[in-house]
Amino acid sequence: DADVTQTPRNRITKTGKRIMLECSQTKGHDRMYWYRQDPGLGLRLIYYSFDVKDINKGEISDGYSVSRQAQAKFSLSLESAIPNQTALYFCATGSDENYGYTFGSGTRLTVV
Amino acid sequence: AQKVTQAQTEISVVEKEDVTLDCVYETRDTTYYLFWYKQPPSGELVFLIRRNSFDEQNEISGRYSWNFQKSTSSFNFTITASQVVDSAVYFCALSERRNTGKLIFGQGTTLQVKP
Repeated sequence: DADVTQTPRNRITKTGKRIMLECSQTKGHDRMYWYRQDPGLGLRLIYYSFDVKDINKGEISDGYSVSRQAQAKFSLSLESAIPNQTALYFCATGSDENYGYTFGSGTRLTVV
Repeated sequence: AQKVTQAQTEISVVEKEDVTLDCVYETRDTTYYLFWYKQPPSGELVFLIRRNSFDEQNEISGRYSWNFQKSTSSFNFTITASQVVDSAVYFCALSERRNTGKLIFGQGTTLQVKP
């Protein structure tokens, strides 16, 4: 099994629908992150969390919310999806000890 | 503020050519980490290297080499004798110790290696 698992891998949804992207990890890392990738813009940080009780907004949090259900789970929600949220989404974990990061395989989301 | 700039949007080379991908960063922190990731057409991010700010030694790994120069705030990546399988998007990224470990990415450089 992958260290960081994202589900679903691909999703097509309609404008206005609520959608949740899920991320689970077996690394035992406290830090978890959600990034969004758009062509030509690199990866931009949406939200990050240092533990279950700690949630922080990133660079582009508008239109998104997150939930850290457990140390190993960090989900990203789009309450009312819009077409410009079409992107590749990555979940990542981070280690305090050696500043290592582990990325999931990504979720390709299309909002039509 | 922290920032990573990859000025080369796209590079196209012919197989066996050497190619250098540029990365320039900005940070006010004295302790930081620099990274390179590869994103092949399949989409996943493949970790290539991490370098901390106190280690300016260049690194070589097979056909890959990295040149870290604090004086010019650059962390360039060279592929020697490029191969078609090197075709991918390459990202440079920065993480500042004081900034809670967030990874700041450059815009990415798309490398196309033609046979």
